[in-house]
Amino acid sequence: SAVISQKPSRDICQRGTSLTIQCQVDSQVTMMFWYRQQPGQSLTLIATANQGSEATYESGFVIDKFPISRPNLTFSTLTVSNMSPEDSSIYLCSVEDIASRNEQFFGPGTRLTVL
Amino acid sequence: ILNVEQSPQSLHVQEGDSTNFTCSFPSSNFYALHWYRWETAKSPEALFVMTLNGDEKKKGQISATLNTKEGYSYLYIKGSQPEDSATYLCAPEDGTYKYIFGTGTRLKVLA
Repeated sequence: SAVISQKPSRDICQRGTSLTIQCQVDSQVTMMFWYRQQPGQSLTLIATANQGSEATYESGFVIDKFPISRPNLTFSTLTVSNMSPEDSSIYLCSVEDIASRNEQFFGPGTRLTVL
Repeated sequence: ILNVEQSPQSLHVQEGDSTNFTCSFPSSNFYALHWYRWETAKSPEALFVMTLNGDEKKKGQISATLNTKEGYSYLYIKGSQPEDSATYLCAPEDGTYKYIFGTGTRLKVLA
């Protein structure tokens, strides 16, 4: 199974600032995803990070708010821009490879608090 | 796939008790159902992937069943231990790699 690390593991940020979260995988993977879990809510897909092209965003999420990069098959970043307290969540990246279909592995998450 | 519901939301049991949770989901456009176990500050850990109606899977003292026609899955834990304390998530998938998660069942096993 893929081993996934995320940085930072947690952060406390001021309203109006931005935070970039990194996701590193120990092997090349086809698919990378970003999720968030707001307090009391379910884990919700933000976008699919596409290598070499723009991410594919789910309904309710936009590139200006959550710009995503994926320069190669092992690394992706998610930026939470112009943060407000409503952005306080756990953000997780996950990966799935076509070779091991039906197995999606998750990183340990980034716990973000916005004051 | 919308409206994935898990019940109960939280549960406290004594060590040694057996317990079960429910995951309900719309039965249309079903491809697979995933169960995860998520401990605080750790990565969600995949427990089961279930695809066929009537599927039963087992991993140690944890097992799961699937009914795709009526849109539900049960997760059972036999003889709960304190280390089973976690949030258990289910996520149906429609074949597009997108998982739709329920809000989870938080289990606390008391020693």
